[in-house]
Amino acid sequence: GDSVTQMEGPVTLSEEAFLTINCTYTATGYPSLFWYVQYPGEGLQLLLKATKADDKGSNKGFEATYRKETTSFHLEKGSVQVSDSAVYFCALSDLRGGSNYKLTFGKGTLLTVNP
Amino acid sequence: GAVVSQHPSRVICKSGTSVKIECRSLDFQATTMFWYRQFPKQSLMLMATSNEGSKATYEQGVEKDKFLINHASLTLSTLTVTSAHPEDSSFYICSVSGGRETQYFGPGTRLLVL
Repeated sequence: GDSVTQMEGPVTLSEEAFLTINCTYTATGYPSLFWYVQYPGEGLQLLLKATKADDKGSNKGFEATYRKETTSFHLEKGSVQVSDSAVYFCALSDLRGGSNYKLTFGKGTLLTVNP
Repeated sequence: GAVVSQHPSRVICKSGTSVKIECRSLDFQATTMFWYRQFPKQSLMLMATSNEGSKATYEQGVEKDKFLINHASLTLSTLTVTSAHPEDSSFYICSVSGGRETQYFGPGTRLLVL
């Protein structure tokens, strides 16, 4: 079945540091790939997505490129801020029966950015 | 996107009792909702897909008689954990389908069964 593996945290960085959170996946079809972010006390929010190979998703300074050859979707940001402290989830979406899409998540990576 | 709320945010109950968790879509008519559970340091696991006006579709390994899902309106789905036991303690999260691959998530409900 489908699965997502992302780097274990927690990750602690200083403000303005470079961020990479690795994510790899296995899937039988041609999934779409996502990064979700969960701020303390809030629900998961879509951060960015890519729907096909070589697509780059970007939002709020974060980027991730859909690499089919390495089955990866690593999240990067050039200069993190304290407000980026959150849990980040990598996920894939696959169509299953009818029109329902199923999201498969990684375990999440806690990022803490210190001033 | 849609605003999704869950109630309660935290609940503690005694073993053997039933607990109901509500998931509301505040500004969006949700034909389809999803229920997930999350154990500490684990990923979100899909429990069931709930379609308004019909029976929920449960994932393999999820007991439908234990986790009762009702999706009676386009803005409300409920998850009832019946005869809860300590192993049911977890973080339960609902989401609303915004069409195709889009989902909007609630903030989650922390359940602790003593």
